[in-house]
Amino acid sequence: QSALTQPPSASGSPGQSVAISCTGTSSDVGGYNYVSWYQQHPGKAPKLMIYEVSKRPSGVPDRFSGSKSGNTASLTVSGLQAEDEADYYCSSYTDSNNLGLFGGGTKLTVL
Amino acid sequence: EVQLLESGGGLVQPGGSLRLSCAASGFTFTNYAIRWVRQAPGKGLEWVSAISGGGSITYYADSVKGRFTVSRDNSKNTVYLQMNSLRAEDTGVYYCARRLPSFAMDVWGQGTTVTVSS
Repeated sequence: QSALTQPPSASGSPGQSVAISCTGTSSDVGGYNYVSWYQQHPGKAPKLMIYEVSKRPSGVPDRFSGSKSGNTASLTVSGLQAEDEADYYCSSYTDSNNLGLFGGGTKLTVL
Repeated sequence: EVQLLESGGGLVQPGGSLRLSCAASGFTFTNYAIRWVRQAPGKGLEWVSAISGGGSITYYADSVKGRFTVSRDNSKNTVYLQMNSLRAEDTGVYYCARRLPSFAMDVWGQGTTVTVSS
């Protein structure tokens, strides 16, 4: 099963905005509003940042937002801060298997 | 506090077995499916297995099907991952996570490391 496609890296300066894309197909990202995003700092467990495309769990800053257009979902981080530097993974429900799909991950660097 | 805590990782030779545990606390355990996710060194996240809240429905990634078995003891608020016929490519950090109805994973354990090497 193919993974979702993410750019391997992204970067921005403090205070700027950066968007990370996650491209799938109509069988996953495009067909369902079950896209989620996870932040992972080195040596730490992943943390849920966005679920159901654009919803934020309690405690996640509103600088983090999610959206979807067609088969591509996006995570936007506004007002970049040093602590946002981490790996970000998207995930989606798929009708092709019972476990879902992960993206390959994007390393976000705050310059 | 809602929490998941993995244990059972370690060093094992190729072909060997390990049983991982995922102990839950702070929430109604039977209301949630639990998933196992692993991460090879320097690599991304990979689904491994999932089990429904009641324990009757299980799923496995193709890479572990026939070798891994997931189960749960709801009286002990614990999920298990029995891993047999381990291979070098099974090396990594194994996380258990709580699955929401929207298929997102909102609570993760700290991970337990499995190393398959001779």
